Amino acid sequence: DAGITQSPRHKVTETGTPVTLRCHQTENHRYMYWYRQDPGHGLRLIHYSYGVKDTDKGEVSDGYSVSRSKTEDFLLTLESATSSQTSVYFCAISLRASGSTDTQYFGPGTRLTVL
Amino acid sequence: AQSVAQPEDQVNVAEGNPLTVKCTYSVSGNPYLFWYVQYPNRGLQFLLKYITGDNLVKGSYGFEAEFNKSQTSFHLKKPSALVSDSALYFCAVRDGNSGYALNFGKGTSLLVTP
Repeated sequence: DAGITQSPRHKVTETGTPVTLRCHQTENHRYMYWYRQDPGHGLRLIHYSYGVKDTDKGEVSDGYSVSRSKTEDFLLTLESATSSQTSVYFCAISLRASGSTDTQYFGPGTRLTVL
Repeated sequence: AQSVAQPEDQVNVAEGNPLTVKCTYSVSGNPYLFWYVQYPNRGLQFLLKYITGDNLVKGSYGFEAEFNKSQTSFHLKKPSALVSDSALYFCAVRDGNSGYALNFGKGTSLLVTP
């Protein structure tokens, strides 16, 4: 257990509503990531953060924004949810401060359904 | 771009038999390769990684993986499968351009039957 929690764990919402997912870590690690998991696609990177207020886009960032005002929290926001954003969302952290050889550890996931 | 491919959607094996889950990679430079396992309704659990050195990497739960540079492969193996190994397995490669994020394969579902 790498000390990662995600909230909520499940959410059902309606098209057009804003949604915020939270990732919280207790390990004080620099790098944090948001991925989405869809059948047939594996996991795909949405956004990542390399420090407080330092974020960047991943492969599937359209329709998503992120914020990191504290080291321990990384928020993912869907400004106006669409059905195509129905997915399972995973947060991950790197257990070392930085480096290409780091292992990433994943949170338990948030299952989001957009009706 | 760094990528991996998992050519099999599903692998079936009988308990006690050896298992192999295949992964091939396409990278520029040195590949940093990972295997993760996902049990139903759970997050991903790290199994093992290849960074450099010995081509046979040993990991958690009795799994190992063989790095083969000439075949650009990183297959996951276990000498004797257990029913409890049934899960979804992901191969991944480090992406040097996205904050060291991982690029994942589509996953392989392993079913071990008694």
